[in-house]
Amino acid sequence: GAGVSQSPSNKVTEKGKDVELRCDPISGHTALYWYRQSLGQGLEFLIYFQGNSAPDKSGLPSDRFSAERTGGSVSTLTIQRTQQEDSAVYLCASSLTQLWNEQFFGPGTRLTVL
Amino acid sequence: ELKVEQNPLFLSMQEGKNYTIYCNYSTTSDRLYWYRQDPGKSLESLFVLLSNGAVKQEGRLMASLDTKARLSTLHITAAVHDLSATYFCAVIGGSQGNLIFGKGTKLSVKP
Repeated sequence: GAGVSQSPSNKVTEKGKDVELRCDPISGHTALYWYRQSLGQGLEFLIYFQGNSAPDKSGLPSDRFSAERTGGSVSTLTIQRTQQEDSAVYLCASSLTQLWNEQFFGPGTRLTVL
Repeated sequence: ELKVEQNPLFLSMQEGKNYTIYCNYSTTSDRLYWYRQDPGKSLESLFVLLSNGAVKQEGRLMASLDTKARLSTLHITAAVHDLSATYFCAVIGGSQGNLIFGKGTKLSVKP
């Protein structure tokens, strides 16, 4: 596909359950970013991958959050033991290389934790 | 801590009028990005401003960057309803190239 894709588009889960969010970046883009958008916090950066490596995980909100990227392509963001405050839209973006390059955003996954 | 401030946060305009959205940021950056977001949709890239004095125009929107003043403006000329959306400015936040966003300006253009 031409753009960044994300799945699922919507996810409703019960508090305490684990969820996995997937991002498929634009082919050939080596840099991949996860952001979260919520009413209270606006757009927040979560984690960055260059290839399969995430050099700094300090942007993840808690140790319940983890992310990986395989084959320099698809990335998954996993939230364990979800809490209501995790409800947000999770956006993935990719760019050709790190730094200074335009980031292209996917459609997002809207996560609702009941 | 790097901060990006936009104002106004809400803007209600009549069709045909002009207005400017302001974006201030707190650290040196020679690049600035403008995005548009429609309700329930993702972020669409509008402009990438790459240097001091950069000016870019697309249709009724024009963006400019003054890196010395740490200020970017998004000027709307003769607004039309289709421009109703939320507009975000952003700068690179650190060595990872992640974006730091303003809170967004929700624009509503009324007939």
